[in-house]
Amino acid sequence: GEDVEQSLFLSVREGDSSVINCTYTDSSSTYLYWYKQEPGAGLQLLTYIFSNMDMKQDQRLTVLLNKKDKHLSLRIADTQTGDSAIYFCAERPYSSASKIIFGSGTRLSIRP
Amino acid sequence: NAGVMQNPRHLVRRRGQEARLRCSPMKGHSHVYWYRQLPEEGLKFMVYLQKENIIDESGMPKERFSAEFPKEGPSILRIQQVVRGDSAAYFCASSPSGTGGNSPLHFGNGTRLTVT
Repeated sequence: GEDVEQSLFLSVREGDSSVINCTYTDSSSTYLYWYKQEPGAGLQLLTYIFSNMDMKQDQRLTVLLNKKDKHLSLRIADTQTGDSAIYFCAERPYSSASKIIFGSGTRLSIRP
Repeated sequence: NAGVMQNPRHLVRRRGQEARLRCSPMKGHSHVYWYRQLPEEGLKFMVYLQKENIIDESGMPKERFSAEFPKEGPSILRIQQVVRGDSAAYFCASSPSGTGGNSPLHFGNGTRLTVT
């Protein structure tokens, strides 16, 4: 089946690293994505990783993929107040390649 | 380079009326997807279209909902005889290609439908 799960909330102190976790069920997933949604806005693609990669780094963002455990994480270094948003994990399963399946999102809040 | 354009941003309809939501994909994109987001929930896939074709409508309710992407003009998501449960944010996304390869979705800012 196709399912993507994330924890709903994460609170981090400004300047610390944030780690947002995600698990998925479809082992045939080809690409996995992280999107960011700010209040009242659409989803902004942050980064993505192909399923044959273990890690991808893009400035403050690091994506780790554990394909054996079907676990994906997004690490945001030096978290800033502007990082406050909802972060969605998503997968493109091989079995249903015409659509991308989203998790319910993790709401990241930053405390001073 | 305009992104995905959706209109209207906000739409209020009374129960029983029709709602028409429009989406113009990014320039050069021929694949359109519609998603629905209920309050405090993630996005649920509704339908995937290419020009003049519905490719996958497995997430769309069988009744009252329809979608099209004509040869000319925007994609339209149409909801007939709206009910309160249809109140949600409807997001359109586009991509340059559909299946296979890396083809991330680019989203519009959504249409927030409120049914009174």
